[in-house]
Amino acid sequence: AQSVTQPDIHITVSEGASLELRCNYSYGATPYLFWYVQSPGQGLQLLLKYFSGDTLVQGIKGFEAEFKRSQSSFNLRKPSVHWSDAAEYFCAVSSSGSARQLTFGSGTQLTVLP
Amino acid sequence: EAGVAQSPRYKIIEKRQSVAFWCNPISGHATLYWYQQILGQGPKLLIQFQNNGVVDDSQLPKDRFSAERLKGVDSTLKIQPAKLEDSAVYLCASGATSGTGELFFGEGSRLTVL
Repeated sequence: AQSVTQPDIHITVSEGASLELRCNYSYGATPYLFWYVQSPGQGLQLLLKYFSGDTLVQGIKGFEAEFKRSQSSFNLRKPSVHWSDAAEYFCAVSSSGSARQLTFGSGTQLTVLP
Repeated sequence: EAGVAQSPRYKIIEKRQSVAFWCNPISGHATLYWYQQILGQGPKLLIQFQNNGVVDDSQLPKDRFSAERLKGVDSTLKIQPAKLEDSAVYLCASGATSGTGELFFGEGSRLTVL
C-alpha cells in the first residue's frame, strides 16, 4: 500500500527566507507525486507534479520540488517565501494504474513571519 | 473552464440526523472522488467512481455513509445517522480517465455534528 509521511507538522519562516518542506513516500513502483496547497476555507490547489523525466520539477508561485528515488523523497522548496504563502501544504502519491487514487500526507502548516 | 462545484459549503446538524452533500465535477471528467478531511489531517479517500460505477469504496463506513453517481456526472454523498466523529470537510475531486492522475478539487463541504 502506498503511504506518505510529512515529518514536519508546523514550520515557521520569516518573509524572504528560503523554505523546504519534507515529504517521504512509500510505493512499490514508480510513483506519481504531487504537492497541493490549501488556504483556510479553500479546496486543494495543485502546486506541482512529478511523473517521470527530470527529477527537478517547477511549479506555480515559484515553488519547485526534487524527486530523489534513493531517498524516497519529494521535498518542496522555495528560495524566498512571501507572506501569502502561509497555508497548509500536502504531499501526495498516486498509483500509476487506472485507479489513480491519491494518498495524502498529514500536511505541514506554514506560518510566515513579517 | 468551470471547476468542481460542491454544496452546501457549511452544514451544522445534531448527531443521529442525516445530511447530504452534492458535487458536480469538471465537464468530461470520468472519475470522481469523495475525500474526508478531519481537522489537522490530510484528506482520506472515501469512495472513487468511474463514470457511474464504483471503483473503490473500501474505506467508506457503509453502515452510515452512502454515495451515488447515477448518470455518471454529479454525485451525492449521504451520512445517516451522523456521529460526532463525522465532523470534517468533505472534498469532492474529479479527474480525467487518461493522463497522469491529476485531480481537481472543489472547495469542500464543512460538516459540524453537535
